[in-house]
Amino acid sequence: RKEVEQDPGPFNVPEGATVAFNCTYSNSASQSFFWYRQDCRKEPKLLMSVYSSGNEDGRFTAQLNRASQYISLLIRDSKLSDSATYLCVAHRIISNFGNEKLTFGTGTRLTIIP
Amino acid sequence: DTGVSQNPRHKITKRGQNVTFRCDPISEHNRLYWYRQTLGQGPEFLTYFQNEAQLEKSRLLSDRFSAERPKGSFSTLEIQRTEQGDSAMYLCASSLGLVIEGTETQYFGPGTRLLVL
Repeated sequence: RKEVEQDPGPFNVPEGATVAFNCTYSNSASQSFFWYRQDCRKEPKLLMSVYSSGNEDGRFTAQLNRASQYISLLIRDSKLSDSATYLCVAHRIISNFGNEKLTFGTGTRLTIIP
Repeated sequence: DTGVSQNPRHKITKRGQNVTFRCDPISEHNRLYWYRQTLGQGPEFLTYFQNEAQLEKSRLLSDRFSAERPKGSFSTLEIQRTEQGDSAMYLCASSLGLVIEGTETQYFGPGTRLLVL
């Protein structure tokens, strides 16, 4: 089983709709989580960080459920410019020396349809 | 531009040749990471540095791959005797890397796209 799993999609959503992605992680030692956005042939760009139960930034809301080990991303009033791949990322410390590991999901592809 | 930079942006090489990529992190960032990404996959961790010390290496990093960060600033990733399976986007990221929540956030460079013919 992959350490971070996402539905690869694609999700094709009409402009203005609300869309939600889920991401599950298998290692309960994961402490912080991130959503990155990646446009085609570009680098990942940080969208949101999630440390406690959730985070909200404008039209974007991330929720963390540690008991069930999943993170969700909700996009409200979707825009054409939201079309991208959304990467779910789990971060954990793997040694007493502070060595860390960042594990990416395969990404969920979103297309907003005019 | 004070973000992470990578050079070259694209590299085409023949199988068996050696290639070297460079990454310049955000200037105050202590940690520097290398990832590889292929089509339809998320970035896969290769290695990372805390200042000049290489702290972790993935099993993906075969003995043909070597990375350095000699002065704790820029880093180079070298692939020797390239194979067609090495074709991928090589991404570099950096973070502050302090023991404070929020400083583990990684910021990515634009990547180097490698094609091995």
